[in-house]
Amino acid sequence: DAKTTQPNSMESNEEEPVHLPCNHSTISGTDYIHWYRQLPSQGPEYVIHGLTSNVNNRMASLAIAEDRKSSTLILHRATLRDAAVYYCILRDWAASGGSNYKLTFGKGTLLTVNP
Amino acid sequence: DAGVIQSPRHEVTEMGQEVTLRCKPISGHNSLFWYRQTMMRGLELLIYFNNNVPIDDSGMPEDRFSAKMPNASFSTLKIQPSEPRDSAVYFCASTRSPGTVNTEAFFGQGTRLTVV
Repeated sequence: DAKTTQPNSMESNEEEPVHLPCNHSTISGTDYIHWYRQLPSQGPEYVIHGLTSNVNNRMASLAIAEDRKSSTLILHRATLRDAAVYYCILRDWAASGGSNYKLTFGKGTLLTVNP
Repeated sequence: DAGVIQSPRHEVTEMGQEVTLRCKPISGHNSLFWYRQTMMRGLELLIYFNNNVPIDDSGMPEDRFSAKMPNASFSTLKIQPSEPRDSAVYFCASTRSPGTVNTEAFFGQGTRLTVV
């Protein structure tokens, strides 16, 4: 899996937008960008994913740079329940041998939300 | 749907004992993953199955670890004999279709294993 780089930690205030960056300078043309988050004492949960275009869903927005070497997860109004570790992951849909099934997690970004 | 169900939620065992962790994936999902999480190493993929067949077990740390998926609704991860360094949270996850990177993975609540 291609490597991603995320800040170790970020801090935000409640009700304010949060922009979580991810660098993936070695991304290939067949890599999808996935974001998961892990709330305290829980398993990871899916947030959003995209390939080239920006994506929106009920949880967040994903902004993908034109060269695809970076992306940003946007939480429009952070709440205390958004405090979690956020993981940016690349998944290659063209990988052979079933390896594209894999989700390989890095260290992620620990988001702290202040009341 | 109840989601991915793991049991037990907590397990404390003595070194040398056999430990069996259990997972029930979401009905209709045909890919299943086992992960281990520690503070030092983060989330590590141990093994994954597709249609009950192990596809990649390269993450299994050593022969003391084994995993089975006898049918589409059940999987086990066994450690025999257990050691204190096996202490971790073990997660099971399942996804809907094989070979599709758009597939969202659903994780269980995990089993916290402590080996003393």
